[in-house]
Amino acid sequence: AQSVTQPDIHITVSEGASLELRCNYSYGATPYLFWYVQSPGQGLQLLLKYFSGDTLVQGIKGFEAEFKRSQSSFNLRKPSVHWSDAAEYFCAVGARAAGNKLTFGGGTRVLVKP
Amino acid sequence: KAGVTQTPRYLIKTRGQQVTLSCSPISGHRSVSWYQQTPGQGLQFLFEYFSETQRNKGNFPGRFSGRQFSNSRSEMNVSTLELGDSALYLCASSLGGPQIFGGELFFGEGSRLTVL
Repeated sequence: AQSVTQPDIHITVSEGASLELRCNYSYGATPYLFWYVQSPGQGLQLLLKYFSGDTLVQGIKGFEAEFKRSQSSFNLRKPSVHWSDAAEYFCAVGARAAGNKLTFGGGTRVLVKP
Repeated sequence: KAGVTQTPRYLIKTRGQQVTLSCSPISGHRSVSWYQQTPGQGLQFLFEYFSETQRNKGNFPGRFSGRQFSNSRSEMNVSTLELGDSALYLCASSLGGPQIFGGELFFGEGSRLTVL
């Protein structure tokens, strides 16, 4: 069974600074990897996804993520955060044999200081 | 193009009651999945329906059930509510298709259930 770990529960970053959110997954084959963002009281919005190919993936809102098979990681990055990036971020893994079931990490809450 | 619509957005029930939540997927999407989100357990997969058939199921008791209609709309039902069922219930739709994995999931804003 697949699993996802997001080691950081909370991260505080200053506006304009860079941001990196960590995600480690456990799955025997090549996974499908996702990053979602959730603002308070809202559903989940997809930031980016990795299915195959180029291991550096560009997403919306200036986010990117890099798939590193050797480290079983899929870390999310943004060069310069905006106050509107304050939200909770979830990494998720899917598997070809698991239908549309996604396994989510516990989430990382990002606070942005002015 | 309208997004995933979930109703009701908020509801309060008491222990022992039952509840039905509704989800209308994006037009043309045939797969609907349900997730439970709680502070303690995070996001957990409940089940997935594709073309009116349950294709996948998570580790939840039989009190949690669902169905999908011919127009792809889905409902989930929780019977004999317990305090621990208080959660945000999220519905997600995707194109689905003959391949096992249907690709990107689009989430609704959720139905927040409070059990007293």
